[in-house]
Amino acid sequence: AQKITQTQPGMFVQEKEAVTLDCTYDTSDPSYGLFWYKQPSSGEMIFLIYQGSYDQQNATEGRYSLNFQKARKSANLVISASQLGDSAMYFCAMRESPNTGNQFYFGTGTSLTVIP
Amino acid sequence: GAVVSQHPSWVICKSGTSVKIECRSLDFQATTMFWYRQFPKQSLMLMATSNEGSKATYEQGVEKDKFLINHASLTLSTLTVTSAHPEDSSFYICSGKREYNEQYFGPGTRLTVT
Repeated sequence: AQKITQTQPGMFVQEKEAVTLDCTYDTSDPSYGLFWYKQPSSGEMIFLIYQGSYDQQNATEGRYSLNFQKARKSANLVISASQLGDSAMYFCAMRESPNTGNQFYFGTGTSLTVIP
Repeated sequence: GAVVSQHPSWVICKSGTSVKIECRSLDFQATTMFWYRQFPKQSLMLMATSNEGSKATYEQGVEKDKFLINHASLTLSTLTVTSAHPEDSSFYICSGKREYNEQYFGPGTRLTVT
């Protein structure tokens, strides 16, 4: 079974609007971490936001927020007030047992295009 | 955030030759480094996990004799693609684990084998 599922291969959003990128995960480990990365055309992976499995509140970082629904095993990324520079690939990732240095599992990514 | 560099950023080599890619953590010590490859419009696939001073752990399907990984210090890991072939052409990304939950990615190396 896929550890991380991103069902939206491509998304379009109007500039200044909000957009939600979906991510569901699969794990039986009670301790895990969820991450979102942005990869522009240059290729560099840019860390956006992190949510721990025991965190009570949804993570927020500036215009990025993570809608964490533990029972549904979903960790959707919400980008508010989209900007043209937000156009990129977005990857959801998970690491189980965070303290053990375990590998990251990546989703297949969502290509976001911001329309002026 | 922490900085990870990769060198070279882009390399073209002839089929049958070997290529070395360096991954350096510039402002932190990375006890664990990860090597990924990414084909166009696809996700990152973990190739191997490298711990300083010990042998790398390769993912299933990754040829350890073809993709040699050395993690000789806390700030440097190298990936050598031996006897490269056109199918090895890909984007190779490394990352360094600094501490709890933090993993920082390098900018990637684009390898083209002709």
